[in-house]
Amino acid sequence: ETGVTQTPRHLVMGMTNKKSLKCEQHLGHNAMYWYKQSAKKPLELMFVYNFKEQTENNSVPSRFSPECPNSSHLFLHLHTLQPEDSALYLCASSQEGRQGAFRAFFGQGTRLTVV
Amino acid sequence: EDKVVQSPLSLVVHEGDTVTLNCSYEVTNFRSLLWYKQEKKAPTFLFMLTSSGIEKKSGRLSSILDKKELFSILNITATQTGDSAVYLCAVSLMDSNYQLIWGAGTKLIIKP
Repeated sequence: ETGVTQTPRHLVMGMTNKKSLKCEQHLGHNAMYWYKQSAKKPLELMFVYNFKEQTENNSVPSRFSPECPNSSHLFLHLHTLQPEDSALYLCASSQEGRQGAFRAFFGQGTRLTVV
Repeated sequence: EDKVVQSPLSLVVHEGDTVTLNCSYEVTNFRSLLWYKQEKKAPTFLFMLTSSGIEKKSGRLSSILDKKELFSILNITATQTGDSAVYLCAVSLMDSNYQLIWGAGTKLIIKP
């Protein structure tokens, strides 16, 4: 266990559905992230929250909507997704260390399939 | 554009072999390089390298960074089937506390 828990582990949704992914970290970190991992592609950073404030949004379509109610919880709300959004969605957390160095701790991911 | 390139993309070896995985990078304002192992879903942290020429070691795994030539290698000696995984390399930048530039990974398969 990495201290970062994601639910659900698998999700199949239609293009007209609305669903949410949940992430919780038990590490006391101050930053949380959503990443998208597609087959044979590098991890893509979607959103970053630092102390509940969104600090980065890497040109993610509005059909993905993040929410960070506190520094331990992070949600990704999904609506009207496209089949190309099918991927592994990973949540991560980190704590800024000495000289700004940090390492990310990842959850198990949600395998999302859009049909 | 910042980029991280890993090679090979995939590798199949037999148990007991030694493997070397490569990670090269072209980024502005390098801060550190990180290696992760991804077996099923969650990437797990292996090493963080910030200084050139200093080897980091953990059991059969070791890694070293060359900041002049802009690359790192990850060595695994006496491989075991449990080493089968995707190995990811990422680079952090001085001008961001959160952004990691990721490589596409090397898929390593260890045959018994």
